[in-house]
Amino acid sequence: GESVGLHLPTLSVQEGDNSIINCAYSNSASDYFIWYKQESGKGPQFIIDIRSNMDKRQGQRVTVLLNKTVKHLSLQIAATQPGDSAVYFCAERGNSWGKLQFGAGTQVVVTP
Amino acid sequence: ETGVTQTPRHLVMGMTNKKSLKCEQHLGHNAMYWYKQSAKKPLELMFVYNFKEQTENNSVPSRFSPECPNSSHLFLHLHTLQPEDSALYLCASSQDIENQPQHFGDGTRLSIL
Repeated sequence: GESVGLHLPTLSVQEGDNSIINCAYSNSASDYFIWYKQESGKGPQFIIDIRSNMDKRQGQRVTVLLNKTVKHLSLQIAATQPGDSAVYFCAERGNSWGKLQFGAGTQVVVTP
Repeated sequence: ETGVTQTPRHLVMGMTNKKSLKCEQHLGHNAMYWYKQSAKKPLELMFVYNFKEQTENNSVPSRFSPECPNSSHLFLHLHTLQPEDSALYLCASSQDIENQPQHFGDGTRLSIL
């Protein structure tokens, strides 16, 4: 079956640096991708999404990049802050009626 | 602040008990979802409702029974659960199943004794 790949690695980032979190996907027909942030004791919080007809989308301090050629999605966080410490995970959707398939997540730890 | 509210936040129950999880969304959405989240595993979709109609049952055991009386409320009725059912149960909603993103509640932490 199709899968979205994150194996819960840990990314340690110094406060003020930029963070890059990566996600590999395997379904070339996926039309929609989304990033979530989950803090301890809370539910996933929507960060940013992107459709397959785009390759870049920017939000507040965050940028999502989509490379359909190599089936790769990344989330860039500018000027990482202590409040950015959380698990980040991506999800893909196979088609407009398809369910989201989630990766396991990356733990981001911001150090002072 | 979340527009999706789940109660209770924590639940401990024995294997023979019957309990229900409740989810309410205040976002005017028409699709609602139940997910199971176990440690270090991807979110597992359980059920999907679109305009109060169930559109997805992801091979969930019958000891989990969903109910969607209207577009704002979703329940998960639990009966005769197993220890491996201990997990965080998350509710989400979206405009409808075509229009994302999904917005999540903070979940119910369920422990089966």
